Amino acid sequence: ETGVTQTPRHLVMGMTNKKSLKCEQHLGHNAMYWYKQSAKKPLELMFVYSLEERVENNSVPSRFSPECPNSSHLFLHLHTLQPEDSALYLCASSQDHGGAGVDTQYFGPGTRLTVL
Amino acid sequence: GDSVTQMEGPVTLSEEAFLTINCTYTATGYPSLFWYVQYPGEGLQLLLKATKADDKGSNKGFEATYRKETTSFHLEKGSVQVSDSAVYFCALSDRFTGNQFYFGTGTSLTVIP
Repeated sequence: ETGVTQTPRHLVMGMTNKKSLKCEQHLGHNAMYWYKQSAKKPLELMFVYSLEERVENNSVPSRFSPECPNSSHLFLHLHTLQPEDSALYLCASSQDHGGAGVDTQYFGPGTRLTVL
Repeated sequence: GDSVTQMEGPVTLSEEAFLTINCTYTATGYPSLFWYVQYPGEGLQLLLKATKADDKGSNKGFEATYRKETTSFHLEKGSVQVSDSAVYFCALSDRFTGNQFYFGTGTSLTVIP
């Protein structure tokens, strides 16, 4: 049990649809992350939030829009996606981001996204 | 910049065989090192970690030793089981780069009975 949940687990959408991915962490952590996992490629860090403030955006296209309303919840809003955006989207959390201590990340099960 | 290189798979072993998955790293400072495991259809789970040189992380029969002199963190298990079939990711977190995580590409392990 990781303490990080993601919904939905699977999502199929057309290129003109708008959908949102949800992540919730029950660990009392202050930092949350979105990653993209594509076949045969390393995990790609997309966004980092620390204390509900976005601290990193790794050149992610604007068709991906994150939202962090509080330290327990993180959303990824999707619109006008492309077929190459099909991937497993993983959410993670850690106690802090950029602090002095070891920053172990805990992952959710992911949302398998297919863009038609 | 920081990076992690791990052996490419896939790796196929018979049950009770010895497992080694190699991982080497490049880091600016003194990173913490991790092994994560991803079972089919699931997210990444922390398997073990080590935070300083010569530390040994261990869990569920898996071990890895932080070797600063060879910049390595190889994963080992003495006797694998079918249930160990998964993808294994080596990762580092470096305080010099704001604790950003750097992951390897993953090594797929299949254990056959």
